[in-house]
Amino acid sequence: DVKVTQSSRYLVKRTGEKVFLECVQDMDHENMFWYRQDPGLGLRLIYFSYDVKMKEKGDIPEGYSVSREKKERFSLILESASTNQTSMYLCASTVAGGQETQYFGPGTRLLVL
Amino acid sequence: AQSVTQLGSHVSVSEGALVLLRCNYSSSVPPYLFWYVQYPNQGLQLLLKYTTGATLVKGINGFEAEFKKSETSFHLTKPSAHMSDAAEYFCAVSDSPYRLAFGKGNQVVVIP
Repeated sequence: DVKVTQSSRYLVKRTGEKVFLECVQDMDHENMFWYRQDPGLGLRLIYFSYDVKMKEKGDIPEGYSVSREKKERFSLILESASTNQTSMYLCASTVAGGQETQYFGPGTRLLVL
Repeated sequence: AQSVTQLGSHVSVSEGALVLLRCNYSSSVPPYLFWYVQYPNQGLQLLLKYTTGATLVKGINGFEAEFKKSETSFHLTKPSAHMSDAAEYFCAVSDSPYRLAFGKGNQVVVIP
């Protein structure tokens, strides 16, 4: 059974803190994605990676960075958290090709105070 | 650029009644189309998808969707709603690698 896990389900941080969100997939997928989900806005793509050490900006990359040192792991970094980054963060992965089914993790609900 | 329209953020349906969620998309090329479901405090789970071939697609939990190219639509239906169908549903379209555009979602409430 496919599995995407995220390091935390709930996270509370203070403004200005550096925040790391971790995502791990066990399906040997080439592509990994980070989305944020906000009520009434659906899912918006922050960054994606199509290979180890490769990354591409999505639609809303400002204030975020990513790291992919190993194929199975994709990290989202908030260099200096702000209150407008309070959101649900979802990680996903898919096989090479990029248009196939994306498999999602359970999400991390981040609150920035 | 691809985009997805889902009307009605909240949809109420009586238990046993038809579930109909509308999805219209814009795309410059034939797209891949998806419906995902999100149960409370969970990630998204694939309900069904259309890539090529038969335009009526059957998914999990009794849901199906029909791709209508002339109407640029991919509406989701289920003949008889069950309490367990209460969730948020997202339509998504992909017309280029690595890009999946989501609609804003429909929160479905099932009334006993």
